[in-house]
Amino acid sequence: ETGVTQSPTHLIKTRGQQVTLRCSSQSGHNTVSWYQQALGQGPQFIFQYYREEENGRGNFPPRFSGLQFPNYSSELNVNALELDDSALYLCASRERGGPPTQYFGPGTRLLVL
Amino acid sequence: AQKVTQAQTEISVVEKEDVTLDCVYETRDTTYYLFWYKQPPSGELVFLIRRNSFDEQNEISGRYSWNFQKSTSSFNFTITASQVVDSAVYFCALSDSSIGSGYALNFGKGTSLLVTP
Repeated sequence: ETGVTQSPTHLIKTRGQQVTLRCSSQSGHNTVSWYQQALGQGPQFIFQYYREEENGRGNFPPRFSGLQFPNYSSELNVNALELDDSALYLCASRERGGPPTQYFGPGTRLLVL
Repeated sequence: AQKVTQAQTEISVVEKEDVTLDCVYETRDTTYYLFWYKQPPSGELVFLIRRNSFDEQNEISGRYSWNFQKSTSSFNFTITASQVVDSAVYFCALSDSSIGSGYALNFGKGTSLLVTP
């Protein structure tokens, strides 16, 4: 196990609702990234947080937003949920200034009906 | 733009067979990193290996080996004497070296490996 934890494990929402996913990074890791993995696809980079600020973003609309807290934990917020937002959301952490390897949590499976 | 191609969508082998998973990448960067991750049915991505673009040495770890060839932009992964526990989806990924990018990973679509007894 990597030490990266995510909650909840599963979530069901309806279209138009808002959702918050949570991630606790591995001890000593100060950089957190979020990825979206649709069924049968590879993970897609959403954004990364370092020192409580967004530090890099993939091709995702503004309704995907995040936070990082002083203890390096992070939240992913998605507003106005769409059916296509149904996916596995993965959080990854690494030590900034250390090796570029990211370590992933178990993910949150989101289903939007 | 970076791109990773895993042309093999699904592979099925019988236990103890050797299997090679192919990965071809595209990047304009001269310095970059390549990764392989394993994703079992539980969903968690498990890190297997990282290679730097300036280090083309092949690597062996137990039954796993990796062949990195910059000339063909390939980073292939071989499992020797496969076992049922190797059944999973395997992802190849690429990140550039710029700190500003945060080393964001670009993943291929994955190869689903099924090892049957």
